[in-house]
Order: sequence, then structure tokens, then C-alpha cells
Amino acid sequence: SQKIEQNSEALNIQEGKTATLTCNYTNYSPAYLQWYRQDPGRGPVFLLLIRENEKEKRKERLKVTFDTTLKQSLFHITASQPADSATYLCALDHPNDYKLSFGAGTTVTVRA
Amino acid sequence: KAGVTQTPRYLIKTRGQQVTLSCSPISGHRSVSWYQQTPGQGLQFLFEYFSETQRNKGNFPGRFSGRQFSNSRSEMNVSTLELGDSALYLCASSFAGEDETQYFGPGTRLLVL
Repeated sequence: SQKIEQNSEALNIQEGKTATLTCNYTNYSPAYLQWYRQDPGRGPVFLLLIRENEKEKRKERLKVTFDTTLKQSLFHITASQPADSATYLCALDHPNDYKLSFGAGTTVTVRA
Repeated sequence: KAGVTQTPRYLIKTRGQQVTLSCSPISGHRSVSWYQQTPGQGLQFLFEYFSETQRNKGNFPGRFSGRQFSNSRSEMNVSTLELGDSALYLCASSFAGEDETQYFGPGTRLLVL
């Protein structure tokens, strides 16, 4: 069966360090993968989309990689700040199926 | 542009009742998806609508239903509520629903007693 796993439920890091989150999937062949941020009591907010033929995507302090051979995406937050504290979700599409499947999320806490 | 709006934001119901939740997508967006979020199961896909047609449905019982109107607004209905239906129900919209960013609303928090 299809499965999406995010490396850990919680990640605590010091301000200024790089947070690295992992999203692994099995029995999927997604055309693209997305990362979202969710704050408590709010809906997820889109951060980055990376397609199957792209290796890396960047947006400001965020970087995403996508390895379809390893079936893995890495999400990096560089020079982390307390404001980056949130839950980060990876989501995979189902081509031509009009739906996204989400991982359970990783909660990042950045200590000042 | 105004974002996705959902009403009501909070709802308390008792077992056996039914509930209708509403979602207004971003102007110009024609695809609306619904998700259920619980601490145990995370974000689970319920269904997706485009131009008033349901294009996909998640693995939920028939008590969960939805519809979309000609102005792209969408409603979802849950009949015969169970305690396990307590969750945050999220609506997301996109222009066409394929290969696109989903813009989520704030959600409706449903508590079933």
C-alpha cells in the first residue's frame, strides 16, 4: 500500500542552525511533491513544489531536494529563526487523480 | 484577493446529528478539495470537486458527502455523526486542481459529543 513517512514527529534546533526534514514514500510515482507549513489552529500554507524531473528548488532560506530513485525528499530551513517554528507537511500528488496525500508532519521548534 | 473562507469556524454537535460545512474558494478557482485532519490520522483526503463534478473521493463512509455550486462554492455534509468525526475539516482551492498549489482555508473545528 502507499505510504508517506516524515522522519520524526519533532525537531528541536538552535536559532541560526539548519533544520533538515525528510519525507520518504513507498508505492508511489508522484509527478511532483509539495511542502506546506501549518501553524496551530490554522490551515496549511504552501511553501514549495518540486517536480519529478527537478533535483533541487530554493526559495529564500528554504531548499527542497527530490530523489525519485531513493523515493525521498529533503526539506532544509537554513539560518533558522524562532518564527520558523511550525509543523511542516510533505504532500504527494496522484497523477490524474486530483488529490494530494500528506505525511503526518514534523514539528520544528527553533530555540532562541 | 480574499483567501479561502470556511464557515462556521467552530461547531459542537451530538452523536446522530448531521452537519453541513461551507467553503468559499479564492475567486477564479474552480477546484475545491476537502480534507479531515485529526491528531491520529493526520490530513486525510475526503473529496475533490471541479465545475460541480466530483472527480475523486477518499476512503470515507457514505455518511460524508459534498457538492459544489456553479459559483464554485462547496459544501460538505456529514450525517449520523459519530464521536470519531471530531476533527478539523479543511477546504482547499486551486485554479484547476491538477499539478497546482492548494490554498487552504482556516478550517472548521467540529466537536461531536
